[in-house]
Amino acid sequence: TQLLEQSPQFLSIQEGENLTVYCNSSSVFSSLQWYRQEPGEGPVLLVTVVTGGEVKKLKRLTFQFGDARKDSSLHITAAQPGDTGLYLCAGGFSGNTGKLIFGQGTTLQVKP
Amino acid sequence: GAGVSQTPSNKVTEKGKYVELRCDPISGHTALYWYRQSLGQGPEFLIYFQGTGAADDSGLPNDRFFAVRPEGSVSTLKIQRTERGDSAVYLCASSSGGLPDTQYFGPGTRLTVL
Repeated sequence: TQLLEQSPQFLSIQEGENLTVYCNSSSVFSSLQWYRQEPGEGPVLLVTVVTGGEVKKLKRLTFQFGDARKDSSLHITAAQPGDTGLYLCAGGFSGNTGKLIFGQGTTLQVKP
Repeated sequence: GAGVSQTPSNKVTEKGKYVELRCDPISGHTALYWYRQSLGQGPEFLIYFQGTGAADDSGLPNDRFFAVRPEGSVSTLKIQRTERGDSAVYLCASSSGGLPDTQYFGPGTRLTVL
């Protein structure tokens, strides 16, 4: 069974603080995606990383894929209230399936 | 259509009843996915269609769950003899195909089994 563990599950911080969310697995993935989900809506893709050691930046968000392609992290710099939401990591596989294995999510609350 | 749409948005049913959940993917998307999300959890993969055929149905929990996509566009997820444990948000996603690919999710159908 492939399993993605996210930590922390809940995070409540003040505006302007930095934070990191971790996503770990014992399985190797061909790709790792990060999504953000708002209440009552489906997840929205933020980034896809495919190469071990890859780092991608999206404004104040920095995503990293581990060298062994088993783990990933999301770092947010100077968090803002608009960053509040559920952050999900998801692992993808090579082969003929497009299925994603999701972590349990990290609920982030950024207080003004 | 602009995005993936799902109907109904909410469905309340009684234990033992049959339900159908519908997904309209983005026009032209060949790949379609169903996921189930329980409260406080990430989405759980159910089934993946490439065109009309189910390319991967390894996530369907048991034979009460079945999904079809007869014309390669709209898909219906069917649940027979519903149980209280089936209560969840059922998410549909579509993509243009290829790996890795961007999956575009619908808003989901919240199913409540009383």
